[in-house]
Amino acid sequence: AQSVTQLGSHVSVSEGALVLLRCNYSSSVPPYLFWYVQYPNQGLQLLLKYTTGATLVKGINGFEAEFKKSETSFHLTKPSAHMSDAAEYFCAVSDRETSGSRLTFGEGTQLTVNP
Amino acid sequence: DAGVTQSPTHLIKTRGQQVTLRCSPKSGHDTVSWYQQALGQGPQFIFQYYEEEERQRGNFPDRFSGHQFPNYSSELNVNALLLGDSALYLCASSLSGYGYTFGSGTRLTVV
Repeated sequence: AQSVTQLGSHVSVSEGALVLLRCNYSSSVPPYLFWYVQYPNQGLQLLLKYTTGATLVKGINGFEAEFKKSETSFHLTKPSAHMSDAAEYFCAVSDRETSGSRLTFGEGTQLTVNP
Repeated sequence: DAGVTQSPTHLIKTRGQQVTLRCSPKSGHDTVSWYQQALGQGPQFIFQYYEEEERQRGNFPDRFSGHQFPNYSSELNVNALLLGDSALYLCASSLSGYGYTFGSGTRLTVV
């Protein structure tokens, strides 16, 4: 079974500050890891994903995440927050990056960006 | 190129009624998955359809059923609606090796 824990249901930062959203996973097989963003009344948009290879993954809108197997973590960062980054962020895990595998999501982290 | 299209966008139903939600996958995608997202929670996997058959199922009762058509579009049916079925229902389509594309969802309110 797989699971995801997102530490902190709400994170608040100032515009221009570092964004750090935490995600820890549990998986009995090599995981594939994802970060999605959800704006109000919208679906999920993929920010980035880790499958194999380089453990530092760069995504859209200046976000990146690092897969750390020893810590079972996949934290999301952005050097400088922008007002438009305010949204809900979900970390997810699957056991294969194919159409045959379900995604298991965390509970989400609501990011607030203050002017 | 259209992405994943879901209809309707909003729906209000009464307890005990039945509802059908629809999803058209992204062009070229052959697999459709459905997720339920309750307010303030992460999406929960309901089931997945591939080649018109249910391939995987999450921990949802038999009141939740689905169908996939030859053109890869899909329906989610929920019978005997409960207040707890109120949620955003998300459809995601995929093609092997390309990951998931999500639709904007159908907001179901059961009163």
